[in-house]
Amino acid sequence: AQSVTQLGSHVSVSEGALVLLRCNYSSSVPPYLFWYVQYPNQGLQLLLKYTTGATLVKGINGFEAEFKKSETSFHLTKPSAHMSDAAEYFCAVSEGGGNKLTFGTGTQLKVEL
Amino acid sequence: GAVVSQHPSRVICKSGTSVKIECRSLDFQATTMFWYRQFPKQSLMLMATSNEGSKATYEQGVEKDKFLINHASLTLSTLTVTSAHPEDSSFYICSARGRDGDTQYFGPGTRLTVL
Repeated sequence: AQSVTQLGSHVSVSEGALVLLRCNYSSSVPPYLFWYVQYPNQGLQLLLKYTTGATLVKGINGFEAEFKKSETSFHLTKPSAHMSDAAEYFCAVSEGGGNKLTFGTGTQLKVEL
Repeated sequence: GAVVSQHPSRVICKSGTSVKIECRSLDFQATTMFWYRQFPKQSLMLMATSNEGSKATYEQGVEKDKFLINHASLTLSTLTVTSAHPEDSSFYICSARGRDGDTQYFGPGTRLTVL
């Protein structure tokens, strides 16, 4: 079975500050890992994903995440927060490609002036 | 590329009626689509996996007779909530597996309110 834990249901940062959203997973097989962003009353937009290969993956809007197998983590970062980054962020795992996703409970990011 | 649409975006219905939600992959063919349900301020819960031309696979605890899924073509899957009740009110989101086979692309969601 697979699972995802997102530490911190709410994260608040100042505009221009570093964004760090935490995600830890468990999986019985090599995982595929995803970060999605959701704006109010909208669907999910893919930010980035890790399948195989390079463990540091870059996504849209300046976000990146690093797969650390030893720590079973896939934390999302952005060097400088922008007001438009305020949204709900979901980490998800699937056991291999094409299989169903298991989502974390989400982290609401607030960006303050 | 990889755009998924849903229709309607919002629906209000009376208790006991049935509601159909459509999910379309606009610029790619999707042999597999997924249906999720999201309660306010909560995560997405997978309801079922829809495969073109075959019966959907439902997650444990999801009533297949209440949530009817039809994946009639490579670009369209429908979810019908039969005899809807207020507890079925939720945000329903579909996704389609993209060409790479790894990534799910999500629709904008449908807000269902049952009075």
